[in-house]
Amino acid sequence: DTAVSQTPKYLVTQMGNDKSIKCEQNLGHDTMYWYKQDSKKFLKIMFSYNNKELIINETVPNRFSPKSPDKAHLNLHINSLELGDSAVYFCASSLGTANEKLFFGSGTQLSVL
Amino acid sequence: KQEVTQIPAALSVPEGENLVLNCSFTDSAIYNLQWFRQDPGKGLTSLLLIQSSQREQTSGRLNASLDKSSGRSTLYIAASQPGDSATYLCAVNSNSGYALNFGKGTSLLVTP
Repeated sequence: DTAVSQTPKYLVTQMGNDKSIKCEQNLGHDTMYWYKQDSKKFLKIMFSYNNKELIINETVPNRFSPKSPDKAHLNLHINSLELGDSAVYFCASSLGTANEKLFFGSGTQLSVL
Repeated sequence: KQEVTQIPAALSVPEGENLVLNCSFTDSAIYNLQWFRQDPGKGLTSLLLIQSSQREQTSGRLNASLDKSSGRSTLYIAASQPGDSATYLCAVNSNSGYALNFGKGTSLLVTP
């Protein structure tokens, strides 16, 4: 059983399209995250939800909208995709917030053409 | 703003060597520091988590140390193996937020 699973693994799309990435965790964790890894492999936090409530919203364009229907799911919807959105997006979860290990999904490689 | 730096950016060693990866951070007010491993095309795997009150953590051939006052952590890998080849990332959880701040990683290659 995969602990943190995200789909799709690869996403190739045209500029201007709208796309979603789904994430689910079966660990019973309270907190979920979206991280972006750019072409230089630098990982940066985008959003964090604790018990379905948004607790972190970094400086991310409002074209990116996270949605958490329940504690086990945190989806990422992206409107009007741009070339610069091309990156690997990682979902992660942790039991609590500050003092817990993070468990990562295997990533979604987004390519915007 | 917390900044995390990892040195070296890349490292190649022959199998069997002991090695040290370095991580430094600018703000010593942290909850914890974590070391992760990332294999190509895969997600991150948590290796060790050191709470701010701890000095070190050990798991098998891995030992991570933390010196909060100097803003430094090291990851020591004993008797390296080709299977240890991966990118190792250091991440700090600061008191001011809930998210981890990552370094850019050290890419390790262990040759047979």
